Amino acid sequence: AQSVTQPDIHITVSEGASLELRCNYSYGATPYLFWYVQSPGQGLQLLLKYFSGDTLVQGIKGFEAEFKRSQSSFNLRKPSVHWSDAAEYFCAVGAGTSYDKVIFGPGTSLSVIP
Amino acid sequence: DAGVIQSPRHEVTEMGQEVTLRCKPISGHDYLFWYRQTMMRGLELLIYFNNNVPIDDSGMPEDRFSAKMPNASFSTLKIQPSEPRDSAVYFCASSLGLGGYGYTFGSGTRLTVV
Repeated sequence: AQSVTQPDIHITVSEGASLELRCNYSYGATPYLFWYVQSPGQGLQLLLKYFSGDTLVQGIKGFEAEFKRSQSSFNLRKPSVHWSDAAEYFCAVGAGTSYDKVIFGPGTSLSVIP
Repeated sequence: DAGVIQSPRHEVTEMGQEVTLRCKPISGHDYLFWYRQTMMRGLELLIYFNNNVPIDDSGMPEDRFSAKMPNASFSTLKIQPSEPRDSAVYFCASSLGLGGYGYTFGSGTRLTVV
């Protein structure tokens, strides 16, 4: 069965520091992969997505993610974190015969300290 | 476009009462999804529609839950009768398609059943 794991429940970084959020998936074929961000009291917003092509994808708000097939990973990175990046981050995988099963990971909560 | 609009933002109801959550998807999006978010179970897909037709309702927890989409611009999720364990944040999302399109989420309805 398809699954998504995010090993880090909570991460704290200093403003201006770099960030990497981890995501691992389990799926037999190449899935669609997504990262979403959820600010407090808000819905989820799509940051970026990957299916094929260049394994390094750029998203909004200065985020990027790298797909590594050998590690079944799709880690999210940002070179310099801003206080406004504090939020919950969800990795998701789109799978199933018609890719109608989007499975979300448990999320990683990011805190940013000044 | 105003995005996906959900109402109400907050709902507090007594156990046994009927609850109706509402969603207006983005115009032109053929797919509409209802998700439930809890601390224990994370984001769970309840049901999704394609062109107003329910396609997969396997995530609906019980017969107490029902969803309709009478037209392309409106959907409801109804719980009757409500129970305290239904307390959660319910999200509606819409999409142009499946696979790599990504979803646009509403701001959610926070339901509390006392």
